[in-house]
Amino acid sequence: DVKVTQSSRYLVKRTGEKVFLECVQDMDHENMFWYRQDPGLGLRLIYFSYDVKMKEKGDIPEGYSVSREKKERFSLILESASTNQTSMYLCATGNGVRTDTQYFGPGTRLTVL
Amino acid sequence: GNSVTQMEGPVTLSEEAFLTINCTYTATGYPSLFWYVQYPGEGLQLLLKATKADDKGSNKGFEATYRKETTSFHLEKGSVQVSDSAVYFCALNYGGATNKLIFGTGTLLAVQP
Repeated sequence: DVKVTQSSRYLVKRTGEKVFLECVQDMDHENMFWYRQDPGLGLRLIYFSYDVKMKEKGDIPEGYSVSREKKERFSLILESASTNQTSMYLCATGNGVRTDTQYFGPGTRLTVL
Repeated sequence: GNSVTQMEGPVTLSEEAFLTINCTYTATGYPSLFWYVQYPGEGLQLLLKATKADDKGSNKGFEATYRKETTSFHLEKGSVQVSDSAVYFCALNYGGATNKLIFGTGTLLAVQP
């Protein structure tokens, strides 16, 4: 079974703090994704990576950056957290095939005070 | 552009009722279509998929048929259970090397005993 783990289930940070969200997968997938999930908006893609050290912006990259130094690990960074970044963050992985699924982690619920 | 539209919730049903959650899409080319389910407090998991026109995906009593002529992928179940209470997301993958998904906004299903 594919396993995708995220570093925290719940996180509370203060405005202006630097926040790291980590995602680790054990399936040797090429592609990794970060989404945020908000009520009424569904899932929106923040960033994705299709190889080590490679990254591309998704639909809502502003205020975020990412890092992928190893194939199995993909980090989402909030350089200076703001209250409008309070959300559920979901990591996913996939093997780059149109017909195949993405596999999701359990999510991190981030609250920025 | 590519997009997914699904019916807004919440959908509230009694146990053993028939379920339909509508999903329509706009896409260039020949996307794959997916239904994901998110149980309370968890990440998303694949429920079913269809990769070409007229394919029927099925799992756990749920079904959806890929209808190219109506650009639809409606989710159905003949008899819902309380344990089916969750948020359901319709999604498409239009291809390319990165296996990106586009999600609908999600539909909350609440099944009452």
